Amino acid sequence: DSGVTQTPKHLITATGQRVTLRCSPRSGDLSVYWYQQSLDQGLQFLIHYYNGEERAKGNILERFSAQQFPDLHSELNLSSLELGDSALYFCASSVEASLRETQYFGPGTRLLVL
Amino acid sequence: DAKTTQPTSMDCAEGRAANLPCNHSTISGNEYVYWYRQIHSQGPQYIIHGLKNNETNEMASLIITEDRKSSTLILPHATLRDTAVYYCIVRVGRGNKLVFGAGTILRVKS
Repeated sequence: DSGVTQTPKHLITATGQRVTLRCSPRSGDLSVYWYQQSLDQGLQFLIHYYNGEERAKGNILERFSAQQFPDLHSELNLSSLELGDSALYFCASSVEASLRETQYFGPGTRLLVL
Repeated sequence: DAKTTQPTSMDCAEGRAANLPCNHSTISGNEYVYWYRQIHSQGPQYIIHGLKNNETNEMASLIITEDRKSSTLILPHATLRDTAVYYCIVRVGRGNKLVFGAGTILRVKS
């Protein structure tokens, strides 16, 4: 158990809908990262937040957005969902935001868009 | 982003050491080598990381060549539960992101 929690574990929805994925980092961690894992793309970095501020963006679609709240939990919002958004979504956390900081991953949310 | 090259798959007998190689010839002087593994569709699990020196923890050992262009992850006594995809990652500066490649599928067989 990494100490990172994600809810829900599974999510089934229809195209065009909007969903929110939630991540609670390990106690004391200020950084939260979101990754997407699809069958054809592998694990890809989406976005990084540090202490409430966006630090970096990866291959995140404009239909996706994220935020980190004062209590440090983070939410990833996916809107206008398409079939291709079906994937595993992982969040990871680390204490700070340096290269030496190990990222610890949560168990993921499996999203299925029908 | 510094790229890594790993074999697609490897087999290992249970109880034997598993040696997983990784090439990272374009690594820069301040970039760390990280190893993670993913069992089925679980979240990636951190194993070990290093910069220049060899490292050992309760899970594995990491051997980095002197020129830092390659490394080897060693699982000293592989068990069936070590069957997973193993990712060798070179940490990149901007955004502190992890760039995952395809990894090595390690199959531990009894």
